[in-house]
Amino acid sequence: AQSVAQPEDQVNVAEGNPLTVKCTYSVSGNPYLFWYVQYPNRGLQFLLKYITGDNLVKGSYGFEAEFNKSQTSFHLKKPSALVSDSALYFCAVRDFGAGSYQLTFGKGTKLSVIP
Amino acid sequence: ETGVTQSPTHLIKTRGQQVTLRCSSQSGHNTVSWYQQALGQGPQFIFQYYREEENGRGNFPPRFSGLQFPNYSSELNVNALELDDSALYLCASSLEGTNTEAFFGQGTRLTVV
Repeated sequence: AQSVAQPEDQVNVAEGNPLTVKCTYSVSGNPYLFWYVQYPNRGLQFLLKYITGDNLVKGSYGFEAEFNKSQTSFHLKKPSALVSDSALYFCAVRDFGAGSYQLTFGKGTKLSVIP
Repeated sequence: ETGVTQSPTHLIKTRGQQVTLRCSSQSGHNTVSWYQQALGQGPQFIFQYYREEENGRGNFPPRFSGLQFPNYSSELNVNALELDDSALYLCASSLEGTNTEAFFGQGTRLTVV
């Protein structure tokens, strides 16, 4: 079975500082990894994905993520945080070998960017 | 905003009743998945439909059922509602057989009283 862990329920960062939201995963085959963001009372918005290739993935709104196979991690990063980045962030994994497009999500990390 | 639309946006039902939620997938997407997001939790996979057949299911009881129509739109039906069914229900569309990401609708907030 596949699983995702987001060890931090909340991350606080000052505006302009770099931010990191952590994610580790477990799958039986090759992973497809995703980050989504959720604003209050809204659905999930896609940020970025890792399928194969370069371990550093660039996505929307200046976010990037680093895939580390040996540590089974896929941490989300941004060089300079904005107040508007404050939201709930979800890491998700899809097992490459799975028959269906089933995403397994972490519990989410609430990011608060302090002005 | 994605092209995935869900209706209604909010719904209040009484325990024991039945509910139907609807989803229109993004243009060109042939696969629809449904997720349940309880308060303070990540989304949990309910099931997926491809070519009008269920081809994947999470750990949900049979009273959760669905349909996919020839135009790829979908319905989620829940019978015998329980208080714990109160959640945000998310629909996601994707293109089967590709590595593209899934796009989510804004969700339906179901409250069971």
